[in-house]
Amino acid sequence: DAGVIQSPRHEVTEMGQEVTLRCKPISGHNSLFWYRQTMMRGLELLIYFNNNVPIDDSGMPEDRFSAKMPNASFSTLKIQPSEPRDSAVYFCASSLKGLGYTFGSGTRLTVV
Amino acid sequence: SQQGEEDPQALSIQEGENATMNCSYKTSINNLQWYRQNSGRGLVHLILIRSNEREKHSGRLRVTLDTSKKSSSLLITASRAADTASYFCATTRLNFGNEKLTFGTGTRLTIIP
Repeated sequence: DAGVIQSPRHEVTEMGQEVTLRCKPISGHNSLFWYRQTMMRGLELLIYFNNNVPIDDSGMPEDRFSAKMPNASFSTLKIQPSEPRDSAVYFCASSLKGLGYTFGSGTRLTVV
Repeated sequence: SQQGEEDPQALSIQEGENATMNCSYKTSINNLQWYRQNSGRGLVHLILIRSNEREKHSGRLRVTLDTSKKSSSLLITASRAADTASYFCATTRLNFGNEKLTFGTGTRLTIIP
């Protein structure tokens, strides 16, 4: 098993551009999570899906952020338009019934 | 908001010594988990302790849970240079399902060779 796969590993974009982060969870896991990590705010849960359905998106900072999970093996987190304060490392994680998460390696986003 | 608060924020010890990190949380929980994060990497799950358990072991790791004090500790025995990392506790909350995991602020552990 290759684990949770995120792409890209690094993204540098200009303010105002659309950014799409991608995640492939572990096959068979029923839950998928998007986290954001910054020095100031630590690890923040943005949204999570259970069986491809969004369950809790209360952590999504604002309408510029959206997430989809069209099937069990793929999810995207989109920021449109991006702003410098969105710069962070974005992690995707998956789990089976909440018993220990497996994290991807993250996408380091820099908005200039 | 952070559910857990780790203490200390940073810890430096000599290789071979034991390292103890503490975590406090605010609400009733289903379980508490500890994760390790090496610099620039994702988090790795270390151990899970359920709310009805008081102590759990895994290799050189020992976790305790005191639900009356809403606190947990992680002990790493016979530390190694490879244990240098940040350690996070995380909880799932009662009545919110088992899925939502809220992380603490982390302890940065440095093992001095």
